[in-house]
Amino acid sequence: QVQLVQSGPEVKKPGASVRVSCKASGYTFTTYGISWVRQAPGQGLEWLGWISAYNGNTNFAQKFQDRVTMTTDTSTNTAYLEMGSLRSDDTAVYYCARDGRFGFEALDIWGQGTMLTVSS
Amino acid sequence: DIVMTQSPDSLAVSLGERATINCKSSQNLLYSTNNKNYLAWYQQKPGQPPKLLFYWASTRDSGVSDRFSGSGSGTDFTLTIASLQAEDVAVYYCQQYFDTPFTFGPGTKVDIK
Repeated sequence: QVQLVQSGPEVKKPGASVRVSCKASGYTFTTYGISWVRQAPGQGLEWLGWISAYNGNTNFAQKFQDRVTMTTDTSTNTAYLEMGSLRSDDTAVYYCARDGRFGFEALDIWGQGTMLTVSS
Repeated sequence: DIVMTQSPDSLAVSLGERATINCKSSQNLLYSTNNKNYLAWYQQKPGQPPKLLFYWASTRDSGVSDRFSGSGSGTDFTLTIASLQAEDVAVYYCQQYFDTPFTFGPGTKVDIK
């Protein structure tokens, strides 16, 4: 079955970095891309950016451009989100979701989410 | 950035009655080359990730009940639940994927009256 399985919850201090993984199964990983979306407690959805598992191209929301890295490992069908210089307002559930190979498609498969808590 | 707005913020509908959610974008989402509206609808239940309901504004995703329908074009879109069931209680989001950053509406919470 097509699914995305994310890594477990994280607790980080302000200024630290975090890496979240998203392992795909049930489909040809390199035929699609992955978007990352976050949701602060009780809030709406915010798109962070996209990476193509086909060619590694990325596109980030400007507000995250300086401190977010997205990568894929096609040998393990896994996408990674790395975020640095963490602040308390980065506390949120982070989702990976399947997107188009070139982006610009609806997000049809979502991971279960990874809770990131940033607190001193 | 394209700004997405939704109305109402929340609504309560009796079981079996119709629920209508509106979504408006600050820019046209219809791409003239392929005549497609780059608009999706998602349903999110508490403690769960969002679930895709519609893409291209009106194409129902696999397995989505035909109680749900999506319509609209350009800048104005609508999600309709024809006959509300208890399992439809959720927050519904629209999202544009016409241009980056892809942006979501603020969500509409649907409850049972």
